[in-house]
Amino acid sequence: GAVVSQHPSWVICKSGTSVKIECRSLDFQATTMFWYRQFPKQSLMLMATSNEGSKATYEQGVEKDKFLINHASLTLSTLTVTSAHPEDSSFYICSARDLLAASGYNEQFFGPGTRLTVL
Amino acid sequence: RKEVEQDPGPFNVPEGATVAFNCTYSNSASQSFFWYRQDCRKEPKLLMSVYSSGNEDGRFTAQLNRASQYISLLIRDSKLSDSATYLCVVNPGRRALTFGSGTRLQVQP
Repeated sequence: GAVVSQHPSWVICKSGTSVKIECRSLDFQATTMFWYRQFPKQSLMLMATSNEGSKATYEQGVEKDKFLINHASLTLSTLTVTSAHPEDSSFYICSARDLLAASGYNEQFFGPGTRLTVL
Repeated sequence: RKEVEQDPGPFNVPEGATVAFNCTYSNSASQSFFWYRQDCRKEPKLLMSVYSSGNEDGRFTAQLNRASQYISLLIRDSKLSDSATYLCVVNPGRRALTFGSGTRLQVQP
């Protein structure tokens, strides 16, 4: 299957700092990438849909000014957690849809996730 | 009401046992259904899609009942390596997926 990478795989930062997480599709192009967040023992919750060349679409309750998403190319989307606080500590996972996949609609591939800990 | 509901478990079963997981979804317009597997501190990985006619992949059998909005996963002859959290996943018509909170399975020797 297609490969999606995320960087960094884990990060520890002080409260008030900003953290950037990169999501890359390594061997395919993705017009759409999705950002999820998962708290311990909870399900993945969609935060936003990242569209190449346009603004991201945020889910209800997700602050767009706090979670900045940039999707500048068909293979890269970034999520920046601005002024991070301890309650932002979570597992952030991106997924990407293969533009050219034969099965099309539901062919999504997940990155390995980024574990963020805010002290 | 959650969009996708699962029994969180944990299900503790001996090796070789048969175990079944159930899931219900609230959006009757949902178009696609999946079971994903997630190991601790890892990303979810697609286990299998679920079709109305039911489908089987080795020891795994998935069933969908659209009328009842119910999805199931049956694992036969459980292996130690099956220990993981199993996520019921629904595509409600958007391109993003909606995840259940998962059912944890622990297969014991």
